[in-house]
Amino acid sequence: AQSVTQLGSHVSVSEGALVLLRCNYSSSVPPYLFWYVQYPNQGLQLLLKYTSAATLVKGINGFEAEFKKSETSFHLTKPSAHMSDAAEYFCAVKGNDMRFGAGTRLTVKP
Amino acid sequence: NAGVTQTPKFRVLKTGQSMTLLCAQDMNHEYMYWYRQDPGMGLRLIHYSVGEGTTAKGEVPDGYNVSRLKKQNFLLGLESAAPSQTSVYFCASGQARGVGQYYNQETQYFGPGTRLLVL
Repeated sequence: AQSVTQLGSHVSVSEGALVLLRCNYSSSVPPYLFWYVQYPNQGLQLLLKYTSAATLVKGINGFEAEFKKSETSFHLTKPSAHMSDAAEYFCAVKGNDMRFGAGTRLTVKP
Repeated sequence: NAGVTQTPKFRVLKTGQSMTLLCAQDMNHEYMYWYRQDPGMGLRLIHYSVGEGTTAKGEVPDGYNVSRLKKQNFLLGLESAAPSQTSVYFCASGQARGVGQYYNQETQYFGPGTRLLVL
């Protein structure tokens, strides 16, 4: 069975600083990996997904993630945080079904 | 295109009461899912469906039933609500993509959620 672990339930950065949200996965088959964002009182929106076409995946709102098989990681980054990035972020792995991490709440300080 | 909609948005139940949550999608997706979201636990899959008339159990199916009589609708039922079922429920739909070993690279599209409080 597949699973993901998100390191850090809360991350706080200053506006303009680098955003790094960590995700490690476990999967017995080549994984399909996703990052979703959830704004308050809303459903989840897809940020980006890895489907084995390229290891560096670019998503919406300036986010990107790099698939590293040797490290079983799929960390999410953004070079410069914006106040509007404050939200909860979920990493997910798809095998027979989708398994989500516990989420990381990103706070952006002015 | 409304995407994925959920009804109701919020509901309070007493222990032992029953209710049905409705999910509707207008994207002609084959796959539909029900998740629950609890603090610190992310989303957990309750039940899912890979097509009209089919359903399957997910990670946490106990206490819930589902039906997919029409392709666009996926119903989640609680026959006898318990306080442990207090949660936010999300419906999602998706369509398989890819071929061969890359089959099923689907993106799931989520509804806005239903907040359920069981007293």
